[in-house]
Amino acid sequence: GAGVSQSPSNKVTEKGKDVELRCDPISGHTALYWYRQSLGQGLEFLIYFQGNSAPDKSGLPSDRFSAERTGGSVSTLTIQRTQQEDSAVYLCASSFEYSNQPQHFGDGTRLSIL
Amino acid sequence: SQKIEQNSEALNIQEGKTATLTCNYTNYSPAYLQWYRQDPGRGPVFLLLIRENEKEKRKERLKVTFDTTLKQSLFHITASQPADSATYLCAAKSSASKIIFGSGTRLSIRP
Repeated sequence: GAGVSQSPSNKVTEKGKDVELRCDPISGHTALYWYRQSLGQGLEFLIYFQGNSAPDKSGLPSDRFSAERTGGSVSTLTIQRTQQEDSAVYLCASSFEYSNQPQHFGDGTRLSIL
Repeated sequence: SQKIEQNSEALNIQEGKTATLTCNYTNYSPAYLQWYRQDPGRGPVFLLLIRENEKEKRKERLKVTFDTTLKQSLFHITASQPADSATYLCAAKSSASKIIFGSGTRLSIRP
């Protein structure tokens, strides 16, 4: 499709397991963003990529979180040793460049840690 | 710290009236503000962007204003319809290049 695609749409896992979330941005978009949204809350900015580079990783909640982007396209967000407080919807967005361009969002991955 | 605040968690208005949502920013001066709409279970959808040198921007029934003196943006929906019911988010880039979103205003339009 033409939009941002995220997979899986839902993920339930046990505390302590690792999870990997995937984002396929819109073709041609050089900027890619990851956000976390807890129930009834706003979006918490995690990290952005310009091309394959992430200039600022300080938004990641802890060192259990990491993200990468390859080929200027697909990105993965990995959470190691998951905790219950990691339960949230993880949203990905892309745009033509990292400036004032509108962001196009996927529908997110709903992560539940048991 | 730099913040984006949407003061109203929820707003309920009668169909046909104008809905006005508020976004305030503190401790910095963003070059632009964006407004998004989010429906339950979906990602946000971009609506409008307004730059600091623009007083007002319109798109169909939507209007956004940007007051750098008050450090505030107002988002208006005229002739509101039940289909306009959703959560509306404002966002801006911080000086540290992070994107900051407000917590959103849940708008309900009753018939």
